[in-house]
Amino acid sequence: AQSVTQLDSHVSVSEGTPVLLRCNYSSSYSPSLFWYVQHPNKGLQLLLKYTSAATLVKGINGFEAEFKKSETSFHLTKPSAHMSDAAEYFCVVRGNTGTASKLTFGTGTRLQVTL
Amino acid sequence: NAGVTQTPKFRILKIGQSMTLQCTQDMNHNYMYWYRQDPGMGLKLIYYSVGAGITDKGEVPNGYNVSRSTTEDFPLRLELAAPSQTSVYFCASSFDRATGRNEKLFFGSGTQLSVL
Repeated sequence: AQSVTQLDSHVSVSEGTPVLLRCNYSSSYSPSLFWYVQHPNKGLQLLLKYTSAATLVKGINGFEAEFKKSETSFHLTKPSAHMSDAAEYFCVVRGNTGTASKLTFGTGTRLQVTL
Repeated sequence: NAGVTQTPKFRILKIGQSMTLQCTQDMNHNYMYWYRQDPGMGLKLIYYSVGAGITDKGEVPNGYNVSRSTTEDFPLRLELAAPSQTSVYFCASSFDRATGRNEKLFFGSGTQLSVL
Protein backbone atom coordinates (compact mmCIF):
# COMPACT_ATOMS: atom_id res chain seq x y z
CA ALA A 1 0.00 0.00 0.00
CA GLN A 2 1.14 3.53 -0.63
CA SER A 3 -0.11 7.00 0.08
CA VAL A 4 1.01 10.58 -0.06
CA THR A 5 -0.01 13.52 2.11
CA GLN A 6 0.45 17.12 1.07
CA LEU A 7 0.44 19.01 4.31
CA ASP A 8 -0.80 22.35 2.97
CA SER A 9 -3.71 22.85 0.61
CA HIS A 10 -2.71 26.48 0.01
CA VAL A 11 0.59 28.35 0.32
CA SER A 12 1.07 32.06 -0.28
CA VAL A 13 4.50 33.69 -0.71
CA SER A 14 5.81 37.02 -1.88
CA GLU A 15 7.75 37.21 -5.11
CA GLY A 16 11.45 36.74 -4.47
CA THR A 17 10.99 34.77 -1.22
CA PRO A 18 11.59 31.03 -0.76
CA VAL A 19 8.98 28.41 -1.53
CA LEU A 20 8.40 25.28 0.56
CA LEU A 21 5.69 22.78 -0.38
CA ARG A 22 5.53 19.83 1.98
CA CYS A 23 4.89 16.19 1.13
CA ASN A 24 5.03 13.06 3.28
CA TYR A 25 4.73 9.60 1.79
CA SER A 26 4.02 6.07 2.86
CA SER A 27 5.07 3.06 0.83
CA SER A 28 5.61 -0.63 1.46
CA TYR A 29 8.38 -0.62 -1.12
CA SER A 30 11.27 1.62 -1.99
CA PRO A 31 9.29 4.38 -3.67
CA SER A 32 9.69 6.57 -6.69
CA LEU A 33 8.50 10.10 -5.97
CA PHE A 34 7.49 12.90 -8.27
CA TRP A 35 6.33 16.48 -8.24
CA TYR A 36 3.98 17.65 -10.98
CA VAL A 37 2.79 21.20 -11.61
CA GLN A 38 -0.56 22.21 -13.09
CA HIS A 39 -1.06 25.72 -14.40
CA PRO A 40 -4.66 26.95 -14.77
CA ASN A 41 -6.62 25.10 -17.46
CA LYS A 42 -3.59 23.00 -18.37
CA GLY A 43 -2.56 19.41 -17.97
CA LEU A 44 0.03 18.36 -15.42
CA GLN A 45 3.73 18.71 -16.18
CA LEU A 46 6.56 16.81 -14.51
CA LEU A 47 8.79 19.05 -12.37
CA LEU A 48 11.17 16.45 -11.01
CA LYS A 49 11.45 12.83 -9.93
CA TYR A 50 13.31 10.72 -7.40
CA THR A 51 14.06 7.10 -8.30
CA SER A 52 16.60 5.91 -5.70
CA ALA A 53 19.60 7.76 -7.06
CA ALA A 54 20.75 11.07 -5.51
CA THR A 55 18.52 12.15 -2.63
CA LEU A 56 18.60 15.81 -3.70
CA VAL A 57 16.79 16.11 -6.98
CA LYS A 58 16.89 19.16 -9.20
CA GLY A 59 14.02 19.89 -11.52
CA ILE A 60 12.89 22.46 -14.00
CA ASN A 61 12.37 26.17 -13.30
CA GLY A 62 14.73 26.19 -10.32
CA PHE A 63 12.77 23.74 -8.18
CA GLU A 64 14.39 20.97 -6.18
CA ALA A 65 13.31 18.35 -3.68
CA GLU A 66 15.10 16.25 -1.10
CA PHE A 67 14.20 12.66 -0.34
CA LYS A 68 14.47 12.00 3.41
CA LYS A 69 13.78 8.38 4.21
CA SER A 70 14.01 8.86 7.97
CA GLU A 71 11.28 11.50 7.82
CA THR A 72 9.36 9.89 4.91
CA SER A 73 9.31 13.30 3.28
CA PHE A 74 9.87 14.73 -0.18
CA HIS A 75 9.42 18.48 0.20
CA LEU A 76 9.61 20.79 -2.81
CA THR A 77 11.62 23.99 -2.54
CA LYS A 78 12.68 26.96 -4.59
CA PRO A 79 15.00 29.73 -3.34
CA SER A 80 13.12 32.61 -4.93
CA ALA A 81 9.51 32.57 -6.09
CA HIS A 82 8.45 34.07 -9.40
CA MET A 83 4.97 35.16 -10.38
CA SER A 84 4.92 32.45 -13.03
CA ASP A 85 5.26 29.80 -10.29
CA ALA A 86 1.65 30.35 -9.23
CA ALA A 87 -0.01 27.00 -9.91
CA GLU A 88 -1.20 23.77 -8.31
CA TYR A 89 1.50 21.30 -7.29
CA PHE A 90 1.00 17.57 -6.85
CA CYS A 91 3.23 15.14 -5.00
CA VAL A 92 3.03 11.62 -6.44
CA VAL A 93 4.33 8.28 -5.18
CA ARG A 94 4.85 5.07 -7.11
CA GLY A 95 5.45 1.80 -5.40
CA ASN A 96 8.15 -0.41 -6.84
CA THR A 97 5.74 -2.50 -8.86
CA GLY A 98 7.04 -1.67 -12.30
CA THR A 99 3.95 -0.05 -13.79
CA ALA A 100 2.84 3.54 -13.81
CA SER A 101 -0.68 2.37 -13.06
CA LYS A 102 0.35 2.31 -9.41
CA LEU A 103 0.82 6.05 -9.09
CA THR A 104 -0.91 7.70 -6.13
CA PHE A 105 -1.49 11.45 -6.32
CA GLY A 106 -1.65 13.84 -3.40
CA THR A 107 -4.56 16.25 -3.10
CA GLY A 108 -2.48 19.18 -4.31
CA THR A 109 -1.07 22.44 -2.94
CA ARG A 110 -2.11 25.69 -4.54
CA LEU A 111 0.80 28.14 -4.61
CA GLN A 112 -0.06 31.82 -4.69
CA VAL A 113 2.69 34.35 -5.42
CA THR A 114 2.07 37.98 -4.53
CA LEU A 115 3.96 41.15 -5.39
CA ASN B 1 5.06 17.36 -32.18
CA ALA B 2 1.57 17.81 -30.65
CA GLY B 3 2.01 15.48 -27.64
CA VAL B 4 -1.29 14.39 -26.08
CA THR B 5 -4.44 15.89 -27.59
CA GLN B 6 -7.86 15.69 -25.95
CA THR B 7 -11.22 16.69 -27.36
CA PRO B 8 -13.58 18.27 -26.53
CA LYS B 9 -12.35 20.82 -23.98
CA PHE B 10 -15.80 21.38 -22.49
CA ARG B 11 -19.04 19.44 -22.58
CA ILE B 12 -22.39 19.55 -20.81
CA LEU B 13 -24.45 16.36 -20.73
CA LYS B 14 -27.90 15.53 -19.49
CA ILE B 15 -28.35 12.62 -17.12
CA GLY B 16 -28.48 9.37 -19.09
CA GLN B 17 -26.77 10.68 -22.20
CA SER B 18 -23.64 9.06 -23.54
CA MET B 19 -20.48 10.49 -25.02
CA THR B 20 -16.91 9.67 -25.95
CA LEU B 21 -13.90 11.66 -24.85
CA GLN B 22 -11.19 11.45 -27.46
CA CYS B 23 -7.47 11.17 -26.75
CA THR B 24 -4.61 10.78 -29.17
CA GLN B 25 -0.83 10.93 -28.77
CA ASP B 26 1.89 11.16 -31.40
CA MET B 27 4.89 10.15 -29.28
CA ASN B 28 4.62 6.42 -29.96
CA HIS B 29 4.06 5.78 -26.25
CA ASN B 30 2.61 2.41 -25.46
CA TYR B 31 1.15 3.34 -22.05
CA MET B 32 -1.98 5.52 -21.95
CA TYR B 33 -4.21 6.53 -19.04
CA TRP B 34 -7.45 8.26 -18.17
CA TYR B 35 -7.70 10.20 -14.92
CA ARG B 36 -10.43 12.26 -13.36
CA GLN B 37 -9.77 15.25 -11.14
CA ASP B 38 -12.37 16.40 -8.65
CA PRO B 39 -12.07 19.65 -6.67
CA GLY B 40 -9.70 19.33 -3.70
CA MET B 41 -8.75 15.80 -4.67
CA GLY B 42 -5.79 14.25 -6.38
CA LEU B 43 -6.10 12.53 -9.71
CA LYS B 44 -7.87 9.19 -9.71
CA LEU B 45 -7.05 6.58 -12.34
CA ILE B 46 -10.07 5.38 -14.32
CA TYR B 47 -8.54 3.04 -16.89
CA TYR B 48 -5.15 2.45 -18.40
CA SER B 49 -3.64 0.61 -21.34
CA VAL B 50 -0.18 -0.88 -21.78
CA GLY B 51 -0.52 -1.20 -25.53
CA ALA B 52 -2.91 -1.64 -28.44
CA GLY B 53 -5.55 -4.22 -27.63
CA ILE B 54 -4.81 -4.24 -23.88
CA THR B 55 -6.75 -2.28 -21.28
CA ASP B 56 -7.23 -2.58 -17.53
CA LYS B 57 -9.26 -1.00 -14.77
CA GLY B 58 -7.86 1.64 -12.50
CA GLU B 59 -9.14 2.92 -9.20
CA VAL B 60 -12.55 4.27 -10.31
CA PRO B 61 -13.69 2.44 -13.49
CA ASN B 62 -17.44 2.18 -12.82
CA GLY B 63 -19.56 3.97 -15.41
CA TYR B 64 -16.77 4.12 -17.99
CA ASN B 65 -15.42 2.03 -20.83
CA VAL B 66 -12.30 2.26 -22.97
CA SER B 67 -10.81 0.71 -26.06
CA ARG B 68 -7.32 0.77 -27.56
CA SER B 69 -7.36 -0.30 -31.19
CA THR B 70 -4.23 1.67 -32.12
CA THR B 71 -1.11 2.89 -30.32
CA GLU B 72 -2.17 6.50 -30.85
CA ASP B 73 -5.79 6.55 -29.69
CA PHE B 74 -7.41 5.81 -26.33
CA PRO B 75 -11.05 6.98 -26.20
CA LEU B 76 -13.06 7.02 -22.97
CA ARG B 77 -16.78 6.28 -23.17
CA LEU B 78 -19.49 7.30 -20.73
CA GLU B 79 -22.57 5.19 -21.42
CA LEU B 80 -25.18 6.61 -19.01
CA ALA B 81 -23.96 9.92 -17.69
CA ALA B 82 -24.61 10.63 -14.00
CA PRO B 83 -24.03 13.80 -11.94
CA SER B 84 -21.26 11.98 -10.06
CA GLN B 85 -19.29 11.97 -13.30
CA THR B 86 -19.04 15.74 -13.33
CA SER B 87 -15.30 16.25 -13.27
CA VAL B 88 -12.23 17.25 -15.24
CA TYR B 89 -10.83 14.37 -17.25
CA PHE B 90 -7.20 14.04 -18.22
CA CYS B 91 -5.63 11.68 -20.68
CA ALA B 92 -1.94 10.89 -20.31
CA SER B 93 0.70 8.75 -21.94
CA SER B 94 4.13 7.43 -21.02
CA PHE B 95 6.96 5.14 -22.04
CA ASP B 96 10.56 5.77 -22.83
CA ARG B 97 11.54 3.16 -25.38
CA ALA B 98 15.23 4.02 -25.01
CA THR B 99 15.40 3.16 -21.31
CA GLY B 100 12.33 1.04 -20.91
CA ARG B 101 11.11 3.38 -18.17
CA ASN B 102 7.55 4.62 -18.05
CA GLU B 103 7.67 7.05 -15.15
CA LYS B 104 7.13 10.43 -16.82
CA LEU B 105 3.52 11.10 -17.71
CA PHE B 106 2.63 13.47 -20.52
CA PHE B 107 -0.81 15.00 -20.01
CA GLY B 108 -3.41 16.44 -22.31
CA SER B 109 -5.01 19.77 -21.42
CA GLY B 110 -8.16 18.19 -20.03
CA THR B 111 -11.89 17.94 -20.69
CA GLN B 112 -14.28 19.70 -18.32
CA LEU B 113 -17.49 17.67 -18.17
CA SER B 114 -20.71 18.68 -16.43
CA VAL B 115 -23.65 16.30 -16.08
CA LEU B 116 -26.89 18.05 -15.23
